[in-house]
Amino acid sequence: NAGVMQNPRHLVRRRGQEARLRCSPVKGHSHVYWYRQLPEEGLKFMVYLQKENIIDESGMPKERFSAEFPKEGPSILRIQQVVRGDSAAYFCASSPQGAYEQYFGPGTRLTVT
Amino acid sequence: AQTVTQSQPEMSVQEAETVTLSCTYDTSESNYYLFWYKQPPSRQMILVIRQEAYKQQNATENRFSVNFQKAAKSFSLKISDSQLGDTAMYFCAFMKRGSGNTPLVFGKGTRLSVIA
Repeated sequence: NAGVMQNPRHLVRRRGQEARLRCSPVKGHSHVYWYRQLPEEGLKFMVYLQKENIIDESGMPKERFSAEFPKEGPSILRIQQVVRGDSAAYFCASSPQGAYEQYFGPGTRLTVT
Repeated sequence: AQTVTQSQPEMSVQEAETVTLSCTYDTSESNYYLFWYKQPPSRQMILVIRQEAYKQQNATENRFSVNFQKAAKSFSLKISDSQLGDTAMYFCAFMKRGSGNTPLVFGKGTRLSVIA
């Protein structure tokens, strides 16, 4: 069984460009979480989604960041007009309905130049 | 809001020795889960061990065991017979047990180096 897949693994963007990060959950998992890890820090929760719904976005900056998890296809974390402070590793995790364990993807390392 | 504190930014241990990593947390919840994750240089997050707060018995997974002190809100990880492959960042994490799925709250991590 394939685990959580994230792409790209590495993404370089110039200031002001848009970044799109993709996450394909474990097959059959309907819950997706996005976390951000700044250098030398732990992971910080950003947003929790179920298919077609945002359940909790309390950790996501109000501006420039958005997330979706459509009925078909991967979950997308979108960062508009990136700034240097957005440079981080972004992790996606998925879980099935009613289960507490989260399965993590390998992360996307975003570098803003 | 829940917080997780790991007071040891870095630790080292000789191969084959035992090391204990500390974690404390703050919550008003009574039902929750606690986890230790390992993050090697590959950056992949690997679940090491989990503990349900309602269980008094400490969890054990091979060379990894925890000391869960609910009243003290402490959740330390003991690694026995340390191996070079245990070198990694270790993160303690908290999850509220709710009616549905809930996010993880992580500590800042402890960098463990196993020395040959």
